[in-house]
Amino acid sequence: NAGVTQTPKFQVLKTGQSMTLQCAQDMNHEYMSWYRQDPGMGLRLIHYSVGAGITDQGEVPNGYNVSRSTTEDFPLRLLSAAPSQTSVYFCASSYSQGKGANVLTFGAGSRLTVL
Amino acid sequence: GEDVEQSLFLSVREGDSSVINCTYTDSSSTYLYWYKQEPGAGLQLLTYIFSNMDMKQDQRLTVLLNKKDKHLSLRIADTQTGDSAIYFCAGPFSGGYNKLIFGAGTRLAVHP
Repeated sequence: NAGVTQTPKFQVLKTGQSMTLQCAQDMNHEYMSWYRQDPGMGLRLIHYSVGAGITDQGEVPNGYNVSRSTTEDFPLRLLSAAPSQTSVYFCASSYSQGKGANVLTFGAGSRLTVL
Repeated sequence: GEDVEQSLFLSVREGDSSVINCTYTDSSSTYLYWYKQEPGAGLQLLTYIFSNMDMKQDQRLTVLLNKKDKHLSLRIADTQTGDSAIYFCAGPFSGGYNKLIFGAGTRLAVHP
């Protein structure tokens, strides 16, 4: 049982380049989300999805696009990378456990550096 | 907007108790969570508490919730070096239980 798989683990980009961070889960979870982690700021929600075909913005969505064509996959796209997007990115999935509980399973993270 | 705040650092001696504190602003929070992040890894759920509870105990972990003051704490009894990590509290974002907002994380250092 792989859980949540993120690729790549490390990536270096030049300003203006585009790339996609991949996220896949094999637990049939309804909900998926992307966070970025920056020192002293904790995790900030970028985008999330409550099911295939449905996405919405989180706290810091600017500069990122997402789509959810299948239950399993939730890629995060950077269309024109900026140094401010240097961060560690985490994908998470979850399902409703009743009474509103939502326990996230996280991937191992993708470290992105934009020069 | 919603906010979750934590102190950034805590240093304790091995064998002592650790108390990590968190305050939140969203009054509609139903569940509140504690996650642990070890170096170079993703976050893992430690425990969570429903808003109609004041306390939850799970082995060495005790969670206290003061809804009036919007204050959440995590107590680790008999702290070990393996407990050294970053601890995050989290709550629902915009009242939506299916997305969470996290605090900045408290780095716990355990020394002999």
